[in-house]
Parts: sequence; C-alpha cells; structure tokens
Amino acid sequence: SQQGEEDPQALSIQEGENATMNCSYKTSINNLQWYRQNSGRGLVHLILIRSNEREKHSGRLRVTLDTSKKSSSLLITASRAADTASYFCATEQGAQKLVFGQGTRLTINP
Amino acid sequence: EPEVTQTPSHQVTQMGQEVILRCVPISNHLYFYWYRQILGQKVEFLVSFYNNEISEKSEIFDDQFSVERPDGSNFTLKIRSTKLEDSAMYFCASRRSGTENEKLFFGSGTQLSVL
Repeated sequence: SQQGEEDPQALSIQEGENATMNCSYKTSINNLQWYRQNSGRGLVHLILIRSNEREKHSGRLRVTLDTSKKSSSLLITASRAADTASYFCATEQGAQKLVFGQGTRLTINP
Repeated sequence: EPEVTQTPSHQVTQMGQEVILRCVPISNHLYFYWYRQILGQKVEFLVSFYNNEISEKSEIFDDQFSVERPDGSNFTLKIRSTKLEDSAMYFCASRRSGTENEKLFFGSGTQLSVL
C-alpha cells in the first residue's frame, strides 16, 4: 500500500512566501518524520512529530499532525532560495522499515 | 558531525555484471538500511539489517540482492546480475537504535547506471 503520499507533487513560490506541503498516510502510526533532499543528494532529517502531538516547531518549520484524518502538513515560513529541494514524509511500517512518500519538489524563485 | 559515507559516487556497469555498493555507517549506529530512488521517483525501501542479519526486506530485494557487514565498519549491497531496471540512486542509511523515534542518517548515494 502507498504510505505517505505528499501533495502537491511540485510547488513553485516566490522567495519570502510561505510553503505548505501535505502528506497523507493509510495505517496507524507512532510518529511521522519529514526529510529534505537537495538535488542528487541524500535525505536529511528535518523534524519528527509523535502521534500524540498535534503541532511542532523547529525554526522556520511548522509541522502539524491530524491522526483522525491521517494527514500531516509541513509549513516553511519566509522561504529562501536555499529551501529549494524535495521534501518527503516518512512513516514506520513494521519494526525496521521507514517508508517514504513520493515527495514534493519545492522551488523558491528569487 | 558524523556522517554516512558511500562509495563509489557513480558506478557504470554492463547488464548481467555484478556490482558491490559500499557504505560506512556512523560508528555507533546499530541499524543499517539500503534504499533506492529511480530518477524523479520515490525513495524505495530495500532492506534493513541488524545484528548481522536482515530485519526486513521489500519485494524489490529478491535473490539478486544481498547485503553484508564484512567487518566492523563497512556495509555492502551486492547485485549479482544487474538488469537495466536496477539503474537508480542507491542510498545507505543508519540509525543508532531501532526505537521508532530515531531518525535515519543517509549517505549521499551511489548512482548506478546499467547499460
């Protein structure tokens, strides 16, 4: 089954604007993680939100989690050109299996 | 900051040839993973490895694939007889423990091209 589907697939905004990306999942989770991938590079962990949390902040990042709707959102405020990357949500499936979604390609235009 | 290192960064091979992708996980990490990403597509789980054995594997990880931790530092992925569809970026990842709130640390990947 597809777990962690991001929406939109691609997002292009002007520098300084806020970027919102969404993630939906199908099964129950203990936590949901967001990762960032610069072009041609490995994924870098951004933030983890536990199932009993509704919102979490880290710098310019804000993550929300709605377990009743099985969805999460990642908000990047005051975007910068350096935020241009792909963003993935990930959930645990099984004991040792972190499953990633399709990702959102974010482009920040100067 | 400690990091996961992967070699080579690019690997070109002929269809049917064997390839070995190498990874050095972070030294105090105990759980190791391989993922792959076909260009522009999702990051797909291949296999997890703990205590010198496979913990989980996906349907992609068939008999052509194997993993090994030959010594205390390296973690390798072998593809015995490569196919064109094995062309992808392969990422190694590690984490300190198996608890669900632990994040993964990824290497920069090996771009495998099968001709």
